Amino acid sequence: QQQVKQSPQSLIVQKGGISIINCAYENTAFDYFPWYQQFPGKGPALLIAIRPDVSEKKEGRFTISFNKSAKQFSLHIMDSQPGDSATYFCAASMRGAGGTSYGKLTFGQGTILTVHP
Amino acid sequence: NAGVTQTPKFRVLKTGQSMTLLCAQDMNHEYMYWYRQDPGMGLRLIHYSVGEGTTAKGEVPDGYNVSRLKKQNFLLGLESAAPSQTSVYFCASSYSKSGTVIYEQYFGPGTRLTVT
Repeated sequence: QQQVKQSPQSLIVQKGGISIINCAYENTAFDYFPWYQQFPGKGPALLIAIRPDVSEKKEGRFTISFNKSAKQFSLHIMDSQPGDSATYFCAASMRGAGGTSYGKLTFGQGTILTVHP
Repeated sequence: NAGVTQTPKFRVLKTGQSMTLLCAQDMNHEYMYWYRQDPGMGLRLIHYSVGEGTTAKGEVPDGYNVSRLKKQNFLLGLESAAPSQTSVYFCASSYSKSGTVIYEQYFGPGTRLTVT
């Protein structure tokens, strides 16, 4: 059962354009929504994350938009650069250490982003 | 500070062979995880550990075993490798403060395993 669905599978953007990747989740108990960036041959690295008590979080050119009622969240990359070319994964988890989730991440399928110069 | 390291980086196995993947972290993290990454499927949790001497099953545990005898190491074993276990394996670690919230996961560089 895929609890986090991500789209599109691949995305091609021109330098300077906006890249948008979307995710939808099913489990309303999720309370932490990170985005990971992965370059070829490397492990995923945390890019930006959001809690469901806010609707938007911005860090530099990267913004997460969160819609709790629709159970959707998205990553926007403004002024996309060739160096942003990578695979992006959305994920969700229940972070409370006192529960039984133990921070386990449920990942989306991934989006391969290519930014052309 | 090396972070999370994994050995080996690459391995080719024949069907039925066994092997152990080693994950080591030097951040004194309590939580450790093993994921597999397959095209179009994201990363899926195999097993995880919430502390030394404890392990638990994740989403896709069949065909794998794990052990965490030392806090800094988390081993993933394949007893009898199958072609369906061809994948890239990632280890990750995390920590909590005051036992309330678990923070971000730090990933290793991965092990690419091919089973023929």
